[in-house]
Amino acid sequence: GQNIDQPTEMTATEGAIVQINCTYQTSGFNGLFWYQQHAGEAPTFLSYNVLDGLEEKGRFSSFLSRSKGYSYLLLKELQMKDSASYLCAVLDSNYQLIWGAGTKLIIKP
Amino acid sequence: ETGVTQTPRHLVMGMTNKKSLKCEQHLGHNAMYWYKQSAKKPLELMFVYSLEERVENNSVPSRFSPECPNSSHLFLHLHTLQPEDSALYLCASSQRLAGSYNEQFFGPGTRLTVL
Repeated sequence: GQNIDQPTEMTATEGAIVQINCTYQTSGFNGLFWYQQHAGEAPTFLSYNVLDGLEEKGRFSSFLSRSKGYSYLLLKELQMKDSASYLCAVLDSNYQLIWGAGTKLIIKP
Repeated sequence: ETGVTQTPRHLVMGMTNKKSLKCEQHLGHNAMYWYKQSAKKPLELMFVYSLEERVENNSVPSRFSPECPNSSHLFLHLHTLQPEDSALYLCASSQRLAGSYNEQFFGPGTRLTVL
């Protein structure tokens, strides 16, 4: 079966750096997405990786290793507003999005 | 209105009620989706429409009935629901159904509680 694994919850300190990991086993691969979802709000797009390597976008970076079935989202200079759930999703060979359960990130002052 | 909108935002209904959820996208997209989001579980894809035609139905119980009258509107009709159907129902749209970099844009969701 298809599976996406990511930690359920993480805690970090304001101003610090945090890395949220995602491992996947899917039938085919056409890209990996990271979404951010604040409590009670819609998921919003953060990043898309289809080739190996690091994609940087401001304070957020996303890394992909297709051979390892692994990605991470790196958040730098954490702010209180970064407290949210972070969803990892993989586009499989049928171009269907397979979702992880999300990682709830708690930022402490 | 911009993006994807959903109404109502909150809904409480009894098991014998009939209600409908509405989604509207203002992005000119051709594909629309219904998802169910339960606490600590992955998003569950329920229905997919492409150019107003249903292309995916992931074994969803018949008490959920979708309707897509045009490419901008999507409904989810609910009847005789069960308490375990309580969840956040999210609507999303994308420019096309398949292909790489197929970013989905989500609405804020309807928080459904079935008593």
